[in-house]
Amino acid sequence: EAGVTQSPTHLIKTRGQQATLRCSPISGHTSVYWYQQALGLGLQFLLWYDEGEERNRGNFPPRFSGRQFPNYSSELNVNALELEDSALYLCASSLALGGPNYGYTFGSGTRLTVV
Amino acid sequence: AQSVTQLDSHVSVSEGTPVLLRCNYSSSYSPSLFWYVQHPNKGLQLLLKYTSAATLVKGINGFEAEFKKSETSFHLTKPSAHMSDAAEYFCVVSDIWVNSGYSTLTFGKGTMLLVSP
Repeated sequence: EAGVTQSPTHLIKTRGQQATLRCSPISGHTSVYWYQQALGLGLQFLLWYDEGEERNRGNFPPRFSGRQFPNYSSELNVNALELEDSALYLCASSLALGGPNYGYTFGSGTRLTVV
Repeated sequence: AQSVTQLDSHVSVSEGTPVLLRCNYSSSYSPSLFWYVQHPNKGLQLLLKYTSAATLVKGINGFEAEFKKSETSFHLTKPSAHMSDAAEYFCVVSDIWVNSGYSTLTFGKGTMLLVSP
């Protein structure tokens, strides 16, 4: 069974540009979660999508947005990039509302570097 | 509101000695608890999870954790450390608010495990 896949693995952007990160969940998982892991800040919750809808959002500005497609894959968009957006972005998937019981499977992440 | 406190930012052990990584949590509801491991430049791998079944949970690679409600703790242990265990470990609590369909996942700040020969 394929795990959670994220692309690209590395992304280098210039300040002010837009970045698009992609995530494909495990087959059968309908919930997708995005986390930011910045140096010294730990893992911070960004967004949660389930069945194509945004269910919850972390404490991030609106320039962080995303969507979930009918096949449950997801995209995270970061507009007007700032230097402090440089981080490892992790995607996780779970069964719908089943994460607390069944766990969350994480991808290997996209390393975003803003220069 | 839920929170997780990992009591040590770094733990150093010698290969072959026991490992203890401490975690305390607070939760308004009956929580699920997880330990994840992250090797350098890698994603997170699930070690074990507690979901209101047996309080002693066995995970992969010889790790186990005990849920102690009275102490609100979920410490991770391993009898004998291997060099390959050197990584960062995250304690995670998850609540689900069924009525609202709201689910949250809160991470501790991580404990870096260093294993010396």
